[in-house]
Formats: sequence, C-alpha cells, structure tokens
Amino acid sequence: AQKITQTQPGMFVQEKEAVTLDCTYDTSDPSYGLFWYKQPSSGEMIFLIYQGSYDQQNATEGRYSLNFQKARKSANLVISASQLGDSAMYFCAMRVPRQAAGNKLTFGGGTRVLVKP
Amino acid sequence: KAGVTQTPRYLIKTRGQQVTLSCSPISGHRSVSWYQQTPGQGLQFLFEYFSETQRNKGNFPGRFSGRQFSNSRSEMNVSTLELGDSALYLCASSTSDKNTEAFFGQGTRLTVV
Repeated sequence: AQKITQTQPGMFVQEKEAVTLDCTYDTSDPSYGLFWYKQPSSGEMIFLIYQGSYDQQNATEGRYSLNFQKARKSANLVISASQLGDSAMYFCAMRVPRQAAGNKLTFGGGTRVLVKP
Repeated sequence: KAGVTQTPRYLIKTRGQQVTLSCSPISGHRSVSWYQQTPGQGLQFLFEYFSETQRNKGNFPGRFSGRQFSNSRSEMNVSTLELGDSALYLCASSTSDKNTEAFFGQGTRLTVV
C-alpha cells in the first residue's frame, strides 16, 4: 500500500522568503505521480504542481518547484518569495495508477504554513 | 472554463437522516472521485466513478454510496447519518488514467447534529 508522510505539522515563514515543505512517500510501484495542493481556510483544494516518477526534470510552476529525489523517495515543495496569500494548509498526494486502477489519491497529513509580514 | 462545482456548500443534518451531495466535474472530465476530510483522519478516499461505473472504492461502510450520470455529474449519498460523518466532502475531477492533474471543488461541509 502507498503512504505519504509530511513531518512538519506547521511552520512560519517570513514574507518574501523561500520555504520548503517536506514530503516522503512509499510505494513499490515504479510508476506513480506526485501532487501538491494548497487548501486555504475556505476549504477548496487548489492544484499546485505535479511530478511523474519517470519525469527527468523537476517540475516547476511559477513560484512553486518540486525537489524530486527519487532514490530518497522525497518530493519536497519549494515556494519562493512567499506572499501573505500563501498562508494555508499544503498537502502532498500520490497516485499509483496500476495499483488503484484509476485516479485515487493518497494524501499526507498536511503542513500548515503561516506567512508573517 | 468552469471549474468543479459542488452543491450544496453547507449542510446541517440530524443523526439518522440521509443526505445527497452533488458534484459537477469540469467539462470533458469523465472521472469523479470523492474524499472525506476530517481533523482526526485527514483526507480519505471514498470512491471514484468513471464513465458511470464505480472504478475504485475506499474503506467506508455501505452507508456511503455514489453514482455517476451520463453527463459525468456525480452524487454521493450517506444514509443513516452518524455524528462522525461530520466532515468536509470534496470531489475531484480528472480526464483519464494518464491524467497529471486532479481538480477539486470547494467542498460540501456536512454537520451532523
């Protein structure tokens, strides 16, 4: 069975600084996808970035980048130049198509980020 | 392009009642997955529907059921509500097995009293 671990329950970051959110995963399947989502207090899950297990390059989307270290089974999210609007819960998730035969996502416990002005 | 729409946004129900939640996926998306989010258990997968068929199911009792219509809209039903069913219910919309994105709606917050 697949598992996602986010070891940082909460963290503060100064506005305009970069922050790294940790995510480790466990699966025996060589084909998988890793997702990061942001959940503001409103509850909506906002898709941020995706990394496939066979992707050669680390994924980037604007201020978001994913530090993918396959051998260590880690997929850390880096948010550059933090903004007050980045204050939210952040979830790492994994999809293993062959095992789940579909689009099931397994989520970590989340990290709450609070950006200080 | 419209996003994923969940209705209603908020619900208050009494123990023992049943409830139906609705999810309209992004146009062209045929996969709809449902998740339950609680402070204690986090985000847990309920089930996924693809082309009107349940393709995958999580570890929830039979009181939780769902269906998908030909226009890909999906409903989930919870019968005989319990206090522990109070949660944020989220649905996710995706295109296919090889999809690299899954978009969520704003969720339905269910409170059982």
